[in-house]
Amino acid sequence: AQSVSQHNHHVILSEAASLELGCNYSYGGTVNLFWYVQYPGQHLQLLLKYFSGDPLVKGIKGFEAEFIKSKFSFNLRKPSVQWSDTAEYFCAVNDAGNNRKLIWGLGTSLAVNP
Amino acid sequence: DGGITQSPKYLFRKEGQNVTLSCEQNLNHDAMYWYRQDPGQGLRLIYYSQIVNDFQKGDIAEGYSVSREKKESFPLTVTSAQKNPTAFYLCASARSKGAKGSTGELFFGEGSRLTVL
Repeated sequence: AQSVSQHNHHVILSEAASLELGCNYSYGGTVNLFWYVQYPGQHLQLLLKYFSGDPLVKGIKGFEAEFIKSKFSFNLRKPSVQWSDTAEYFCAVNDAGNNRKLIWGLGTSLAVNP
Repeated sequence: DGGITQSPKYLFRKEGQNVTLSCEQNLNHDAMYWYRQDPGQGLRLIYYSQIVNDFQKGDIAEGYSVSREKKESFPLTVTSAQKNPTAFYLCASARSKGAKGSTGELFFGEGSRLTVL
């Protein structure tokens, strides 16, 4: 069965620090990969996605993620975080050929101290 | 503005009562979803619908029911059979890819927080 693992449940950083949130999935076929973000008091929204092509994808607000197929990973990165990046981040995966539903990680809560 | 509207935002219910959460979208999306979000447990799928008049159980459908009579609307009823209904409920929609499901790019509402007293 498909599953998604996010290694860090809670991350605390100072502003300007670099960020990397881990995401690994377990599935043998072709996948679509997503990162969603939920800012405090706001609705969940798409941060970035990978369907095919360049494994390094860029999203909103300076975030990027790299798909490493051999490692079944899709880690989220940002070179320099801001206080406004404080949010909960979710990694999600679906089967590219039959994508009826997303499989979600448990989420990582990021707190950025000013 | 296009989007998803969930109502009510906050709801209190006595034990033994059914309650219905509304979800309306004007994005012309075929696929709609209901998730439950609990602290530390991520998003768990309750029900989803790929097309009008059809819906499928998700991972935690017990104690819930849905209908999909209109493309724009996907209400969720939390029944008295749901043993632990206090939670944050999220509705989402996505463009359909026909029999292959949706694109996976979900658009979410702001959620409904249900508290059972």
